[in-house]
Order: sequence, then structure tokens, then C-alpha cells
Amino acid sequence: DQQVKQNSPSLSVQEGRISILNCDYTNSMFDYFLWYKKYPAEGPTFLISISSIKDKNEDGRFTVFLNKSAKHLSLHIVPSQPGDSAVYFCAALNNAGNMLTFGGGTRLMVKP
Amino acid sequence: KAGVTQTPRYLIKTRGQQVTLSCSPISGHRSVSWYQQTPGQGLQFLFEYFSETQRNKGNFPGRFSGRQFSNSRSEMNVSTLELGDSALYLCASSQYPGPNQPQHFGDGTRLSIL
Repeated sequence: DQQVKQNSPSLSVQEGRISILNCDYTNSMFDYFLWYKKYPAEGPTFLISISSIKDKNEDGRFTVFLNKSAKHLSLHIVPSQPGDSAVYFCAALNNAGNMLTFGGGTRLMVKP
Repeated sequence: KAGVTQTPRYLIKTRGQQVTLSCSPISGHRSVSWYQQTPGQGLQFLFEYFSETQRNKGNFPGRFSGRQFSNSRSEMNVSTLELGDSALYLCASSQYPGPNQPQHFGDGTRLSIL
């Protein structure tokens, strides 16, 4: 039973355009959400996070939106750059501990 | 500031053997978590340590165990290895447990079971 789902396994975007990666969750006990980026042969790199008391958090080119009633979050990257090409993981935390529950990942390809 | 260091990077073992993987967290980080990544199951939580105590354990058999030392370094051990244990094992650290302390990952140990 996947509690965090990323329904698009891959996404292709032109350089300079917006990339939108989506994530859905089912567990209403999750109250903190994170996005990680992963290149091959490297560990995931933390990008941005959002608490459930907010609906938006922005950091440079990266913005995360949270729709708590829909149990949906999205990561916007604008403008997209070829170096953004990687696998993006959505992850969720609840107050019970430090256990990250990950989605299956979305492979983003940014074409020059 | 050095990142999370995992050793070894690659390991080949045979069924029935046991293996120990090591993780050195970022300096000053006291919370260490372990995750397993496989193509079929994705990234799954194994266990979490803070101040030498296991705080949480994921849904893995007892063959998977771990510990944390007083200097916050952590090891995980897998006994009686099975083919399905082939995976990338990732360690992550944060200063303290909790949502305001994003976990930072090492590059992992790739374990292959023959």
C-alpha cells in the first residue's frame, strides 16, 4: 500500500520552461513534505520542504505547493535547466519520528 | 563541511554470508537513518538512530540490524544474505530527529548478492 505516490514516472521539458512534478499521499498523519533530487550513482539531495501549516514554500527556482484537502503537492521548477535532469523524489514525514516515506520518483529530462 | 560518508561504495557477497555497512554522519549530526533502494520497492526506511538508541524500525526482517556509536557513526548488518537483499543502501543524517531537520544522504553502498 503506497502512502506516497508519484504517478508520472517521467517528464520531459524544454529548457527555460516550467517543470511541474506531482505527488499524492494518502496518510493524513503526514505533516511535513520534502523533495529530493537524485543523480545516478549519488545519494538523494535535499531540495525544498513544506510544513502542512503552509500551502507554498519558495526557494529560488523551486516552489513547492501543498493542497492539504486534496492530499496533493507539487514541485515547480522555473526556469528549467539541463542540469535539473535527474530523478525527483517526494517524501513525507509524520510526528511519530524521522521516518521518511518516499514516492516512487519522477525522472525529469530537460532538453536544451 | 564533509557530507555523509558511506563505506564501502560497492560490495559483492554470496547468499548466506553476512555484511556490515558503515556510515559516518555530517559532523555535528546525531540522528542517522538507513534506507534501502531497489527497483521494485523504491526507497524504503530501515531504521533510525539517535543518541545510540534505535527510535524507529521499518518493516524488514530481523536479519537486518544496526547500531550507533557514541561518536554518532552507525553500522548496519545484514545476516544470512538473500538474493533479494541486492540493493543500494543509503544512510542519511540530521542534527536531530524531526521535520525541521532535513535528512542529508550519503552516496550509498551498492550491495550485490550472487
